[in-house]
Amino acid sequence: EILMTQSPATLSVSPGERATLSCRVGQYISSNLAWYQQKPGQAPRLLIYDASTRATGIPARFTGSGSGTEFTLTISSLQSEDFAVYYCQQYNNWPLSTFGQGTKVEIK
Amino acid sequence: QLQLQESGPGLVKPSETLSLICIVSGGSISSSDYFWDWIRQPPGKGLEWIGSIYYSGSTYYNPSLKSRVSISVDTSQNQFSLKVNSVTAADTALYYCARKGWDGIDYWGQGTLVTVSS
Repeated sequence: EILMTQSPATLSVSPGERATLSCRVGQYISSNLAWYQQKPGQAPRLLIYDASTRATGIPARFTGSGSGTEFTLTISSLQSEDFAVYYCQQYNNWPLSTFGQGTKVEIK
Repeated sequence: QLQLQESGPGLVKPSETLSLICIVSGGSISSSDYFWDWIRQPPGKGLEWIGSIYYSGSTYYNPSLKSRVSISVDTSQNQFSLKVNSVTAADTALYYCARKGWDGIDYWGQGTLVTVSS
């Protein structure tokens, strides 16, 4: 099983500031990585796929980058609706997949 | 608009079998472009991929759960199902069904909470 490590576990950010989330994968996965946002009481929502492609309707302030084993999700200017938990997911051996343990973005 | 709805018992006794159904509406489960997934989330914890099924019946499972999990599809009813055998308290979770394409998991059900307790 491919090991996924997200950091930090919790990120405290003020509205309007930049947030940078990391996802490290235990083996090479090319660009086969997605990011999801989950708010309390809701199902996750797809933000980014193929490491850097925004899903339909996702604002431009969300940017995914990286390849291989190191990936980053950047939220350029946090809005109130962006405070949530973010998960990375690898799908290098599609349709098998693995999720990271999540990063909670909270209001500072 | 595609919708997925999970259904099944909310309480299962230890050592018994957890059974859930996901009804797909607003689209066909027989589309060649998608797999259909089960994903779970223990209370207050992260997401765990359980497995995927294609409309043809091909299945793929999380290696850590493979010995206890079975996913099946009924294309005539536009639904797919999950069974988890020999459940313990560690199987208590919110269970989601979802649609997965090459570009990620784009549709999710609302989730159904299953508690394992005597």
